[in-house]
Amino acid sequence: DVKVTQSSRYLVKRTGEKVFLECVQDMDHENMFWYRQDPGLGLRLIYFSYDVKMKEKGDIPEGYSVSREKKERFSLILESASTNQTSMYLCASSVGEGWGYTFGSGTRLTVV
Amino acid sequence: KNEVEQSPQNLTAQEGEFITINCSYSVGISALHWLQQHPGGGIVSLFMLSSGKKKHGRLIATINIQEKHSSLHITASHPRDSAVYICAVIRGNKLVFGAGTILRVKS
Repeated sequence: DVKVTQSSRYLVKRTGEKVFLECVQDMDHENMFWYRQDPGLGLRLIYFSYDVKMKEKGDIPEGYSVSREKKERFSLILESASTNQTSMYLCASSVGEGWGYTFGSGTRLTVV
Repeated sequence: KNEVEQSPQNLTAQEGEFITINCSYSVGISALHWLQQHPGGGIVSLFMLSSGKKKHGRLIATINIQEKHSSLHITASHPRDSAVYICAVIRGNKLVFGAGTILRVKS
């Protein structure tokens, strides 16, 4: 059963902390994505990666960075967490050109 | 105006009813996903379609590329169908999402 696995379902962090959200896929997909989902705003793309060590900004990259050192792992980093980054974070991967999307279960991050 | 518009935003139905959720988009696309998100967060892709119609169990999805419109139908709805249904269009390598339709099916 193919999977996209996010390391935590729920996370509570303090303002100013550095936060790492991890995502691992076992499908050998080229493309990986990080989204955040907020009520009334839907899913918005933060960053995506189409190959190891390659990354591109999405629609709302401010306050975030990413790392993709291995094909199967895509990390989202909040350098200094702020309360407006409280959200549901979803990772996804795809074969390429929009095909074969698979989503993780999501991480609900609360910054206090 | 969002590139992908869904309607309705909220929908409450009685068990057994036929349900339709609509999606309109304003950009050129290669295909469209219908996604389902249950409480707790995980998202499942129900359909990906680029033309015509697809059916899986009680779910039917249609798309009209010329009219830039897609519909998701649920026949004989059941309380376990209660979820958020999200339309997402494929533009190049990325998905562009609608805001979602919150469906509640009452028994």
